[in-house]
Amino acid sequence: NAGVTQTPKFQVLKTGQSMTLQCAQDMNHEYMSWYRQDPGMGLRLIHYSVGAGITDQGEVPNGYNVSRSTTEDFPLRLLSAAPSQTSVYFCASRLKGQGYTEAFFGQGTRLTVV
Amino acid sequence: AQSVTQLDSHVSVSEGTPVLLRCNYSSSYSPSLFWYVQHPNKGLQLLLKYTSAATLVKGINGFEAEFKKSETSFHLTKPSAHMSDAAEYFCVVSASKIIFGSGTRLSIRP
Repeated sequence: NAGVTQTPKFQVLKTGQSMTLQCAQDMNHEYMSWYRQDPGMGLRLIHYSVGAGITDQGEVPNGYNVSRSTTEDFPLRLLSAAPSQTSVYFCASRLKGQGYTEAFFGQGTRLTVV
Repeated sequence: AQSVTQLDSHVSVSEGTPVLLRCNYSSSYSPSLFWYVQHPNKGLQLLLKYTSAATLVKGINGFEAEFKKSETSFHLTKPSAHMSDAAEYFCVVSASKIIFGSGTRLSIRP
C-alpha cells in the first residue's frame, strides 16, 4: 500500500499565485485532514473531512479551500498565496468511528511564497 | 471541544537520565491520545497510542506514557535518554478531529 501520498514535495510560489496541494490515500479512510507546521507552533489544523462531500474548518482555515469529491482524494487549494502561507504542509488520514485509530501522514510539502 | 497543551516547549536532559515530556488534554468525548516524534527534516512517526485499554502504554524505543483521566494528562517518559532521542515530540488528541500540541523539543546533552 502507498499509504498517504502528497504532491508536490517542494513548491515555490509568487505572491498572488494559486495552487493546489494534492493528497491521496489508498486505505479507504473516511477522515482526512490538512495541517501546516510552523516553528514553535506544532501542527495546526487547516481543514478536515469525515467523508466524501463533507468538509469542515479547523483552527487556521483562512486563505485555504478544500473539497472532498472522493474518499481517496483531499486537495488543498491556496487561492491567492501570501508570504504568511510559507510553511510545511501535512496531510493525514484515519478511519472514522469508535476506538479511533492512529492517523497516517504524508511526507509533507514544503511551500515557500516569495 | 478538543485541545491539547504541551507544558514545555524545550526539555534538555543528559544522556542516560530520565525523560519526562508533559501533556494535558481536554475533550468533550472520551478521546484517543497519541505521541508522535519528528526528527529534523523528517516526517511524523507514531511512538505510542492510548485507546481506552490499559492506562500505561508502552511504545517504541523504550518510551511509555500513562493516561490519568483525573488529571487529564498523558505524560511521556523514558527511563534513560539516548542521543538518538533528540527530536520534536507531539502529543495528539483524537476524537471528532485530530489536534496536535505545540510540540516539545528534546535535547540530549552528552
